[in-house]
Amino acid sequence: DVKVTQSSRYLVKRTGEKVFLECVQDMDHENMFWYRQDPGLGLRLIYFSYDVKMKEKGDIPEGYSVSREKKERFSLILESASTNQTSMYLCASSRQGGMNEQFFGPGTRLTVL
Amino acid sequence: GEDVEQSLFLSVREGDSSVINCTYTDSSSTYLYWYKQEPGAGLQLLTYIFSNMDMKQDQRLTVLLNKKDKHLSLRIADTQTGDSAIYFCAERDTGNTPLVFGKGTRLSVIA
Repeated sequence: DVKVTQSSRYLVKRTGEKVFLECVQDMDHENMFWYRQDPGLGLRLIYFSYDVKMKEKGDIPEGYSVSREKKERFSLILESASTNQTSMYLCASSRQGGMNEQFFGPGTRLTVL
Repeated sequence: GEDVEQSLFLSVREGDSSVINCTYTDSSSTYLYWYKQEPGAGLQLLTYIFSNMDMKQDQRLTVLLNKKDKHLSLRIADTQTGDSAIYFCAERDTGNTPLVFGKGTRLSVIA
């Protein structure tokens, strides 16, 4: 059973804290993605990666950074969390080429107080 | 850039058919997808269609693609309460590019 796992389902942090969201996939996928989901705004792409140590900015990268040291792991970092980063964060992975189905993790609901 | 539009809400009675519509702007889309998100969960691929197809049927699901009008629809026959979820339309053009998602349509099924 293929899987994308995220380190936490729920997380509460304080303004100014450094926050790490971890994502691991077991499908040997080259591509990995981070989205945030907000009511009425749908999914917005934050960052993605096509390979180890590679990263590309998505539509809303401001306030975020990422790290991909190993193929199976893609981390999203909030250097100094702010209340407007309260959201649901979804990680996904996919193969390169072909139908390119994206497999999603269950999401992390982050609240920044 | 590319854009995918879909209505935000749809309400149907149990047993009726549901039709969720989507329009997209990218004329070079190669694959179009429908994802389902149940409450508190991530997205799961429901079905997809390649751009050279007009229709795809999979049990209760029928996908229709009008490439000329850049219009995609998902029909769910005999809608059940378990179909209540958010449905996302997505498209991808050629190459290894991220999917572009619509904002999602929340389907409510009334018993």
